[in-house]
Amino acid sequence: EVQLVQSGAEVIQPGESLKIFCQGSGYIFARYWIAWVRQMPGKGLEWMGIIYPGDSDARYSPSFQGQVTISVDKSSNAAYLQWSGLKASDTAMYYCARQADTGYDFDHWGQGTLVTVSS
Amino acid sequence: DFVMTQTPLSLSVTPGQPASISCRSSRSLLHSDGKTYLHWYVQRPGQSPQLLIFEVSNRFSGVPDRFSGSGSGTDFTLKISRVEAEDVGIYYCMESLQLQYSFGQGTKLEIK
Repeated sequence: EVQLVQSGAEVIQPGESLKIFCQGSGYIFARYWIAWVRQMPGKGLEWMGIIYPGDSDARYSPSFQGQVTISVDKSSNAAYLQWSGLKASDTAMYYCARQADTGYDFDHWGQGTLVTVSS
Repeated sequence: DFVMTQTPLSLSVTPGQPASISCRSSRSLLHSDGKTYLHWYVQRPGQSPQLLIFEVSNRFSGVPDRFSGSGSGTDFTLKISRVEAEDVGIYYCMESLQLQYSFGQGTKLEIK
């Protein structure tokens, strides 16, 4: 069974750094792109970026380029999303999702990581 | 930026009645490989999004056949033939061409 398990909720102060993860299991992790999607409170879904674990090729939405870094560790079947200086406006639920091998849809999603940035 | 526009943004449906959601893209979603990369997701209350339909009209594994997708080019439709209580949630279309993705604003489905 394909599963994406994300790290737990975080409460972070403005200006701090953070790295959250998404761990895949039940499939060959290196062969499927992993995307990150933001959902701000009460709002819709926004695609942030995507990475191919096989060669760490990462692509970003222009809206998030330079704001976050997406990385991967094949040895632990994990993808990461990190910030170097969080702002209150980064408060959101963050989902990872696996891109299907037959197309460009996201066929499996993680449970989400809630990041709250507050002093 | 490529824009996906969904209508309506909300709808209230009596159980057993049909529902329809429209999604319009600012660019053609027909790829040079002949496929059209338009997909539909539902986010039920308190849950992660789930894939319903991929490439316009293909139901994902386990999705009931009361859900169907249609369309081409820039105009697409998700239909629910007979709405059930469990269909409550927010429905999103998403386009994916060349490793860039855009979601529609979402359509909130409520049960009367």
